Amino acid sequence: DGGITQSPKYLFRKEGQNVTLSCEQNLNHDAMYWYRQDPGQGLRLIYYSQIVNDFQKGDIAEGYSVSREKKESFPLTVTSAQKNPTAFYLCASSTSTGEDIQYFGAGTRLSVL
Amino acid sequence: GQNIDQPTEMTATEGAIVQINCTYQTSGFNGLFWYQQHAGEAPTFLSYNVLDGLEEKGRFSSFLSRSKGYSYLLLKELQMKDSASYLCAVRDWGTGFQKLVFGTGTRLLVSP
Repeated sequence: DGGITQSPKYLFRKEGQNVTLSCEQNLNHDAMYWYRQDPGQGLRLIYYSQIVNDFQKGDIAEGYSVSREKKESFPLTVTSAQKNPTAFYLCASSTSTGEDIQYFGAGTRLSVL
Repeated sequence: GQNIDQPTEMTATEGAIVQINCTYQTSGFNGLFWYQQHAGEAPTFLSYNVLDGLEEKGRFSSFLSRSKGYSYLLLKELQMKDSASYLCAVRDWGTGFQKLVFGTGTRLLVSP
């Protein structure tokens, strides 16, 4: 059953703590993306990766870091430098060819304690 | 720059037809997507338009006019489960990477 798996579903961060959100896909997609969703705002791109071992900053990369060591995995770390981390985080993947439709995981809701 | 506008909220009755509009301004248009998102869940892909005209998929249809920077999503025979947010997203070449720019979404409430 192919898809995109995000974990955990809910995550709490303490002051000064780094937390890592997991994203795994078994769709054999080359490209992966991280978005942040806040109430009343559209999805905003944090980071994206078009191929293994390469990734680029999106529109709001400050306070976040990523890695792409395997095609299937694109974890996002929310660092202590991100002062307003409370949001719904969505991971997506796409083929990078043809219609290049992005498919989304179920999301991780991050809150600050 | 990039700008996507869609209504914040719409209401409709079960069994009716509703049209959700989306207007956009981009420098390098390369396709328009509609997604459905139920509260607290992932967006799911509904439709894709890159050429002018109407694309029909069952109860859902999507229209695009590139010259007017305009699209709409038409939902027929509304069901209660259609209550959700509908996201319009434009793919923009921008800086050489085809990124998706999302509107803020239209929250549709379907009542009995």
